[in-house]
Amino acid sequence: DGGITQSPKYLFRKEGQNVTLSCEQNLNHDAMYWYRQDPGQGLRLIYYSQIVNDFQKGDIAEGYSVSREKKESFPLTVTSAQKNPTAFYLCASSIGYGTEDTQYFGPGTRLTVL
Amino acid sequence: GQQVMQIPQYQHVQEGEDFTTYCNSSTTLSNIQWYKQRPGGHPVFLIQLVKSGEVKKQKRLTFQFGEAKKNSSLHITATQTTDVGTYFCAGYGNKLVFGAGTILRVKS
Repeated sequence: DGGITQSPKYLFRKEGQNVTLSCEQNLNHDAMYWYRQDPGQGLRLIYYSQIVNDFQKGDIAEGYSVSREKKESFPLTVTSAQKNPTAFYLCASSIGYGTEDTQYFGPGTRLTVL
Repeated sequence: GQQVMQIPQYQHVQEGEDFTTYCNSSTTLSNIQWYKQRPGGHPVFLIQLVKSGEVKKQKRLTFQFGEAKKNSSLHITATQTTDVGTYFCAGYGNKLVFGAGTILRVKS
């Protein structure tokens, strides 16, 4: 069963704690992405990775960190430096990082900071 | 920087009525992609348009790409309750940028 999995589906965190969101894909895609979705604001790119051991900041990278040690995995850490972390986080992947590569999304993780 | 504007933000229609959402880019695009997100779900790819003036159809959905490759539209004929969700356009200039989406609600 191919696709992208994200865990957990719901996550609660206390202020001041770091938290790591998991994203795994078995599509053999080179490129992976992390987006943040807030109501009425669409999808904003946090980080992306074109290939293993490489990643780039997106439009709203402050307060987040990522790693890409394996092709299948692209975890996102929401640090305590992120001022407003409550949001819906979506991971996506594509065959490559190019103009005609469509993105496949995981089911998302809804993070709530208490 | 590259921006993608999408209107309307929200539309509530009676079942059977038509629906259109519009997407405008600040820069010329290589392609435009459309995604649908059901309530509580994640975005799912619908279609990609590449050529200037291109029109593609998927059953009751019609997608258009403008001649100048800076705008696009999605038209749904005779909406059904299964059409509810948020429709996003995403334009590729030097990177893929998503519009804010149009939320569609359908009254039965």
